[in-house]
Amino acid sequence: GEDVEQSLFLSVREGDSSVINCTYTDSSSTYLYWYKQEPGAGLQLLTYIFSNMDMKQDQRLTVLLNKKDKHLSLRIADTQTGDSAIYFCAEILNYGGSQGNLIFGKGTKLSVKP
Amino acid sequence: KAGVTQTPRYLIKTRGQQVTLSCSPISGHRSVSWYQQTPGQGLQFLFEYFSETQRNKGNFPGRFSGRQFSNSRSEMNVSTLELGDSALYLCASSPNMDTEAFFGQGTRLTVV
Repeated sequence: GEDVEQSLFLSVREGDSSVINCTYTDSSSTYLYWYKQEPGAGLQLLTYIFSNMDMKQDQRLTVLLNKKDKHLSLRIADTQTGDSAIYFCAEILNYGGSQGNLIFGKGTKLSVKP
Repeated sequence: KAGVTQTPRYLIKTRGQQVTLSCSPISGHRSVSWYQQTPGQGLQFLFEYFSETQRNKGNFPGRFSGRQFSNSRSEMNVSTLELGDSALYLCASSPNMDTEAFFGQGTRLTVV
């Protein structure tokens, strides 16, 4: 079935790098996304990657995609206390050629210790 | 450019009542999707509208419905509310169906 898996918790020290991992199921997904959710807030789109790319870098964020293993990761360099939040990985389901809805993982709660 | 606006932000309703939530997408965006977020089930897709037509629907009972107007604004309705409908309801807008989705702040619905 359709499922996106993420580890639930990650704790790092301020200044270290954080790596959040995700596995997805739909090999035909054309886009894969990372969203951030702070307490009491909606989802903020952080970055996304096209399925024909292996890597995308955007300032402190690096996304790595391994299509063969259906594995996606988000690396946050120089993690700050303001990065503490829940991070969601999401894929778009592909319905016979037409794009469908987003399938989200359960989210990884990142705690950054000073 | 204004972001996705959802109203109201918070709502308390009684079991058996009905509720209507509103979403104004980013200007120029034609696709609006709705998601339900609960601690137990996480984020689950409700439905998606594009040019006033429902294009996709998630696995929710018929008590959940929605619509989209000609200005792309969307509403979702939940009838005969149950305690389990308590959740954060998130709306997302996209320029088209297959591009990145931008979310609003959500409506926190509490059913008592």
